[in-house]
Amino acid sequence: SQTIHQWPATLVQPVGSPLSLECTVEGTSNPNLYWYRQAAGRGLQLLFYSVGIGQISSEVPQNLSASRPQDRQFILSSKKLLLSDSGFYLCAWSHPGGGYGYTFGSGTRLTVV
Amino acid sequence: GQQLNQSPQSMFIQEGEDVSMNCTSSSIFNTWLWYKQDPGEGPVLLIALYKAGELTSNGRLTAQFGITRKDSFLNISASIPSDVGIYFCAGQRNSGGSNYKLTFGKGTLLTVNP
Repeated sequence: SQTIHQWPATLVQPVGSPLSLECTVEGTSNPNLYWYRQAAGRGLQLLFYSVGIGQISSEVPQNLSASRPQDRQFILSSKKLLLSDSGFYLCAWSHPGGGYGYTFGSGTRLTVV
Repeated sequence: GQQLNQSPQSMFIQEGEDVSMNCTSSSIFNTWLWYKQDPGEGPVLLIALYKAGELTSNGRLTAQFGITRKDSFLNISASIPSDVGIYFCAGQRNSGGSNYKLTFGKGTLLTVNP
């Protein structure tokens, strides 16, 4: 069966520090991968998605970047965090053929202080 | 871009009551999905609908894919305290290629008073 792992679960970082959040998927090949941010426990904002290794599409201009160094690994990064980067970050995957929705990770609560 | 209008934004109900929420869109979707997010967790898929007019149940949950393919509703019967959370609708269009992006509603925050 397929599983998705996301870590860390919580993170407190000072303004100006770098960020690296990691997401890995097991049990499937060539998944579509997504990073979402959720502010104040409400709407889901799509940040990045990837349909293959090294292929990253950005949905909104921001202080963050994403990379996909391996087929089932998706990384969200920042060189210098801003206060506004605080939020709940969710990784998700879907079948490359689509049609079955997304499976989400358990999320990372990022607080920038 | 595509938008889903999900309503209501929030609901406060008593344990045992039935709940209904819905999503509408100006665009057609080929798949409708309903997710539930518990506090501090990622959303979990509750029900997926693949055909216009389809009515699907999962325990106390019932969801329908609208005939026009532009709307869907979710009903929860006899609510219990663990139904608390945020419910998201999502629509998916098979737009070709290898990317099938979901469009999410803004969520319905459900509070159940015991």
